[in-house]
Amino acid sequence: DAMVIQNPRYQVTQFGKPVTLSCSQTLNHNVMYWYQQKSSQAPKLLFHYYDKDFNNEADTPDNFQSRRPNTSFCFLDIRSPGLGDAAMYLCATSSLPTSGGALRDTQYFGPGTRLTVL
Amino acid sequence: AQSVTQPDIHITVSEGASLELRCNYSYGATPYLFWYVQSPGQGLQLLLKYFSGDTLVQGIKGFEAEFKRSQSSFNLRKPSVHWSDAAEYFCAVGDSGNTGKLIFGQGTTLQVKP
Repeated sequence: DAMVIQNPRYQVTQFGKPVTLSCSQTLNHNVMYWYQQKSSQAPKLLFHYYDKDFNNEADTPDNFQSRRPNTSFCFLDIRSPGLGDAAMYLCATSSLPTSGGALRDTQYFGPGTRLTVL
Repeated sequence: AQSVTQPDIHITVSEGASLELRCNYSYGATPYLFWYVQSPGQGLQLLLKYFSGDTLVQGIKGFEAEFKRSQSSFNLRKPSVHWSDAAEYFCAVGDSGNTGKLIFGQGTTLQVKP
């Protein structure tokens, strides 16, 4: 039944040690999003993939990268995690038309990965 | 730029009491509005959404929300709260571009007293 799956659920890394978070979906949605949510804050969009097109938010640090090898999978890479990167990372998916125009489809969220940086 | 304000950071209600969580948005055109709920350590679950049509929207778990354009509001309501409703609630508006990006409010933490 799981539609958006995130692995691992909990990740501990050391300061400066690269880490990769994984997201997969069974919905066949063409858009995948990565949000960062710090404690007691709202989720903040880092970037999203519209099919294979990568769209970075203007204020997303270069330390954060993403890969989408196919429709089902999307990865978040943190090249050199700092203490300030400790957060919950949420993956979401939605279906937008490929023929142009806006469609406000629902975003479906995964359970998140809690990242701890030591 | 679009924005969402949830004026109440924390709300406590007694089990069985009614609930209203406030949400105000700033948006030039017809907004696309959502309410999500997040239990501790979990992802976000959609409660309901408004795209167009009837301004009173029914959602899951007995929640409803009413879109009021004149007040730029989309308040969430439930007539009788259950202990399991204790969670964080986020109101969000869809971005005006073609990305489907969501802009979230700061969230309201709901505590339910026995």
